Amino acid sequence: ETGVTQSPTHLIKTRGQQVTLRCSSQSGHNTVSWYQQALGQGPQFIFQYYREEENGRGNFPPRFSGLQFPNYSSELNVNALELDDSALYLCASSPTGTFNYGYTFGSGTRLTVV
Amino acid sequence: KQEVTQIPAALSVPEGENLVLNCSFTDSAIYNLQWFRQDPGKGLTSLLLIQSSQREQTSGRLNASLDKSSGRSTLYIAASQPGDSATYLCAVKKNYGGSQGNLIFGKGTKLSVKP
Repeated sequence: ETGVTQSPTHLIKTRGQQVTLRCSSQSGHNTVSWYQQALGQGPQFIFQYYREEENGRGNFPPRFSGLQFPNYSSELNVNALELDDSALYLCASSPTGTFNYGYTFGSGTRLTVV
Repeated sequence: KQEVTQIPAALSVPEGENLVLNCSFTDSAIYNLQWFRQDPGKGLTSLLLIQSSQREQTSGRLNASLDKSSGRSTLYIAASQPGDSATYLCAVKKNYGGSQGNLIFGKGTKLSVKP
């Protein structure tokens, strides 16, 4: 059973550029969530995908968008990058059908915006 | 609005000590609470998951308790080892923003265990 895998592990972008981060969910998990973790802070919920549709969103602007594919993998896209977007981006997957499941996290993508 | 607070923010102990990390949350209407470990620059490793109907969970040297009515959870680490050095995060699962439940995290407790 494979866990949650994210790519790339590190990325450096220039302010104003666009970036795509990728996530493969754990086998058997069909719900994927994305979190942003700034240095020294706890992760913040960006959005969640279920059945290829956005199924909940935190307090992030529309330039943060995503996709979920039929195999449950997911992408996070960020347009018009700002310096404050520099953070560790974490993907988490869980099974669905009940609210009682916990989450499995990937190792994250470290994004640096210069 | 759900807020999660972890105290202390940092903790340094000698090897072998038993220790307690604290987590409090403002809204008791949660589905579950999860404790995670995070090594520097790495992702999150799930340690323990406590459902809202449970009082505690144990795994090896770790024991987590949940008192939903008072909005508190503790993570007890027995006989600490240098390898336990990491940041420990607690998160409550709540249905916000129309999702199937998303996690609200505290800022974590940075633990250092000295040999």
